[in-house]
Amino acid sequence: AQSVAQPEDQVNVAEGNPLTVKCTYSVSGNPYLFWYVQYPNRGLQFLLKYITGDNLVKGSYGFEAEFNKSQTSFHLKKPSALVSDSALYFCAVRDIKTGANNLFFGTGTRLTVIP
Amino acid sequence: DSGVTQTPKHLITATGQRVTLRCSPRSGDLSVYWYQQSLDQGLQFLIQYYNGEERAKGNILERFSAQQFPDLHSELNLSSLELGDSALYFCASSHREMNTEAFFGQGTRLTVV
Repeated sequence: AQSVAQPEDQVNVAEGNPLTVKCTYSVSGNPYLFWYVQYPNRGLQFLLKYITGDNLVKGSYGFEAEFNKSQTSFHLKKPSALVSDSALYFCAVRDIKTGANNLFFGTGTRLTVIP
Repeated sequence: DSGVTQTPKHLITATGQRVTLRCSPRSGDLSVYWYQQSLDQGLQFLIQYYNGEERAKGNILERFSAQQFPDLHSELNLSSLELGDSALYFCASSHREMNTEAFFGQGTRLTVV
């Protein structure tokens, strides 16, 4: 069965410093991986996805993520954090092998960027 | 704006009642997904429809049902409501099922009192 783990409930980082939000996954075949961000009282906004190809994926708002098949990880990164990046971040996986079409989400990581 | 519209934004109702949540997907999107977000359960997949047909089922209670209409809008029906059903309910849509991202609406916040 597919699953996604976000091992950190909370990540704090100083403004201007690099940030990393961790995600590991478990699927029976090749994964389609996604990152979403949720601001207070808002829906989830798509940030980026990995389908195939280059392991480093660039997305919205300066975010990028690195797919690592051997470590089954898809960590979200940004070189320089902004206070406005403070939000709830979700990693998700769609398992293409079993044909499951829905996205399985991690439990979310709350990112706080400290001015 | 994701292009996915959910109504109503807020809903307060009593235990035992029945409510209907509505979702209009992005233009051209054939898939609609429903998710429940609660504080203790995170984001739980409920059900997916593709072009009017049920495609996948998740942790959806028997008291809940959904459908997708010919114009592709979808409704999630919640009945015999309990206090524990209080949550944010999200609808998402996508065009092709597998390799495209889903776009989320802003959600309906349901409060059962």
